[in-house]
Amino acid sequence: NAGVTQTPKFQVLKTGQSMTLQCAQDMNHEYMSWYRQDPGMGLRLIHYSVGAGITDQGEVPNGYNVSRSTTEDFPLRLLSAAPSQTSVYFCASSLSPQRGRFNTGELFFGEGSRLTVL
Amino acid sequence: AQSVAQPEDQVNVAEGNPLTVKCTYSVSGNPYLFWYVQYPNRGLQFLLKYITGDNLVKGSYGFEAEFNKSQTSFHLKKPSALVSDSALYFCAVRDINDYKLSFGAGTTVTVRA
Repeated sequence: NAGVTQTPKFQVLKTGQSMTLQCAQDMNHEYMSWYRQDPGMGLRLIHYSVGAGITDQGEVPNGYNVSRSTTEDFPLRLLSAAPSQTSVYFCASSLSPQRGRFNTGELFFGEGSRLTVL
Repeated sequence: AQSVAQPEDQVNVAEGNPLTVKCTYSVSGNPYLFWYVQYPNRGLQFLLKYITGDNLVKGSYGFEAEFNKSQTSFHLKKPSALVSDSALYFCAVRDINDYKLSFGAGTTVTVRA
């Protein structure tokens, strides 16, 4: 009963370094997404995917890349970290809204990954 | 575009008193509305949702929310607050024809004993 699993939980980077935040879900959800949470700004959508091989940008995509090679995994890559990317990152998944009128697309969240960029 | 406003950064209530957390939304089509709760150093947990039908929806831990289409509001309520309800609460909206869920900035609820 794992749900949505994120790794690592904590990471400290230096400016310019690269890293990947991992996200995996075992609920066979088509939809997966990445949010960042900053004080006073709520959660902002970075990227999302509606199925394997399909990704799209959210509100704040700059500085981040994603890929979706399998239904289960949706990694988030920071190519050259900047202090402005210091944040808490959440991965979330849901069934596709196209599953039918009774599927409401309720999101299931991971526990979060706290990233500090020095 | 869709958006959510939570006009109060903080709500403070005494244990046993009613709790209300306000939320208004904007969406081009018909909305699906959600409330989530976040405890310290944890992910978000689903509380309740409005999809269609009865404007008063009931959720987990004794919470309920009232959908008001004319006022585009979806306020969260609990008749008698507990100290354990102290947490960060998020309202969220999604157009029924879209995937993306938009969140408000969050309201910190503190229930004092």
